[in-house]
Amino acid sequence: QVQLQESGPGLVKPSQTLSLTCTVSGASISSGSYYWSWIRQPAGKGLEWIGRMFSSGSTNYNPSLKSRVTISEDPSKNQFSLRLTSVTAADTAFYYCARASPEWFGDSFDFSFDPWGQGTLVTVSS
Amino acid sequence: QSVLTQAPSASGTPGQRVTFSCSGSSSNIGSNTVNWYQHLPGTAPKLLIYSNDQRPSGVPDRFSGSKSGTSASLAISGLQSEDEADYYCAAWDESLNGPVFGGGTKLTVL
Repeated sequence: QVQLQESGPGLVKPSQTLSLTCTVSGASISSGSYYWSWIRQPAGKGLEWIGRMFSSGSTNYNPSLKSRVTISEDPSKNQFSLRLTSVTAADTAFYYCARASPEWFGDSFDFSFDPWGQGTLVTVSS
Repeated sequence: QSVLTQAPSASGTPGQRVTFSCSGSSSNIGSNTVNWYQHLPGTAPKLLIYSNDQRPSGVPDRFSGSKSGTSASLAISGLQSEDEADYYCAAWDESLNGPVFGGGTKLTVL
C-alpha cells in the first residue's frame, strides 16, 4: 500500500521560501512510470496543480508558478520536495503531495492522482 | 476562479440519487478524460473515478461517471451519510500542459 506524508513548517514569513517534503512509503519514487506531484488548495478555493516530477527526475511546473517553484528528489530517503520562493499571503494554502498515473485511452490522456497525502497547512504571515 | 466549473453545493437524502456536473472546454474535458475525487476536510483526497467512468479497486459501484463533449457528470446512487464530502472533477489541459480542477461541490446529506 502506497502512502504519502507531507512535512514542513506551518508558518512562513512573507518574501521567504516555503519548503515542504513528501515522504513516500510502499513504492520507490525512482522506479515505475509515475509522476510525483504537488497540489495546493487555498482556504475556500479550488485545487491548483503546482508541478510534477517524473521518476527520472525531470520536472514540469504550472506556468503561473514556474518562476518560483522547484520540485526535487532525494532517492536515498524516498522523498521529494517542494520549494516556493518569494511567498506572499496568496500562497497560504493546504499543500498536498500525490502520485499521478499517466495513461492514454485512445487519443485521450488520463492523469489521475492516487494516492494523496493528508495535506499540510502552510500560512504565510509575519 | 477554477478552470473547470462545478456547482458549489448539492444535497440529498439517504437512499436518493444525486448527480454532480463539471463543465470545461475543448482544451481539457473535450480532449482528455475526466477524474473525480472525494475529499473530506482533514483527510487525503480520494480518487473515485478515472478515465471518465472507471472505478479504482475498492470504490463502490454506487459511484458512476460519464462524459459528453466538454462536460462530465458524477452520480451517487443509494446516498449514504458517509458520502457527505466535497467532490472535485479534474482533467488534463492541453493549454496548461497540466491538470486542471473544478472548484468542488459540497455534498450535504440531509
